[in-house]
Amino acid sequence: NAGVTQTPKFQVLKTGQSMTLQCAQDMNHEYMSWYRQDPGMGLRLIHYSVGAGITDQGEVPNGYNVSRSTTEDFPLRLLSAAPSQTSVYFCASRRQGVNYGYTFGSGTRLTVV
Amino acid sequence: AQKVTQAQTEISVVEKEDVTLDCVYETRDTTYYLFWYKQPPSGELVFLIRRNSFDEQNEISGRYSWNFQKSTSSFNFTITASQVVDSAVYFCALSDPNSGYSTLTFGKGTMLLVSP
Repeated sequence: NAGVTQTPKFQVLKTGQSMTLQCAQDMNHEYMSWYRQDPGMGLRLIHYSVGAGITDQGEVPNGYNVSRSTTEDFPLRLLSAAPSQTSVYFCASRRQGVNYGYTFGSGTRLTVV
Repeated sequence: AQKVTQAQTEISVVEKEDVTLDCVYETRDTTYYLFWYKQPPSGELVFLIRRNSFDEQNEISGRYSWNFQKSTSSFNFTITASQVVDSAVYFCALSDPNSGYSTLTFGKGTMLLVSP
C-alpha cells in the first residue's frame, strides 16, 4: 500500500517550459487535490477533484491545468512555467465521507529559472 | 469564505519548556473539521489530530494536547516538555464544506524552534 505517490521529487524548469507533476494513489480515494506551499504562505489549494471526470478550481488555479481520467491519478500540468510557480507542491487524497482523514504525498520541489 | 489564522510566525523555546501554538478559525458552517499537521525539516506533512465541530472535549496524546473552544473559534495546540525533535512547522487547517469537505484551508503555519 503505497499511499499517495508524487513524482518527481525535484525538478528544475526553464521559464516557458511545460511539465506535468504526477500524483497517484492506490487507496481508491474519491477525492484528490493539489496544493502549493510557499514560504510564509502555508498551503494553498490549486485544483481539486471529487471523482473521475470532475475537477474544480481552488484558490490559486492560474497557470495550472488538471484532469482526472481515472480514480487513481490526478496530474497537475504547467503549460508555460513562470518563476512565480517556484514552490513545493503537495498532492492529497481522501475517501468520500466526513469521517476520513487526508493523505498527503511527500511533495515535489519545483524551481523555475 | 473560510479563514485560518496562526498569528505566531515563529516561536523559540528551550528544551523542556511548554509551548502553545494558537489557531483561530472563521467559518459560517455549523459542521466542520479542524486539523493539526506537523512539517519537520524533511518536508513531509504529518497528521497530528482531527476534531469535529460537535466535539469540544480537549484531547491529550502523550506530550501533546489540544484545546478546542467554539465560543472563541480557537483550536490551540500545546506541547508539554518540548524536545528538540518537536522543531518543525505546525499547520492548523479547516475542512472546506464548499468542496464537499474534499479540501482543506490552511493557516500560514508556526515555525517552532526547540533548542537544547
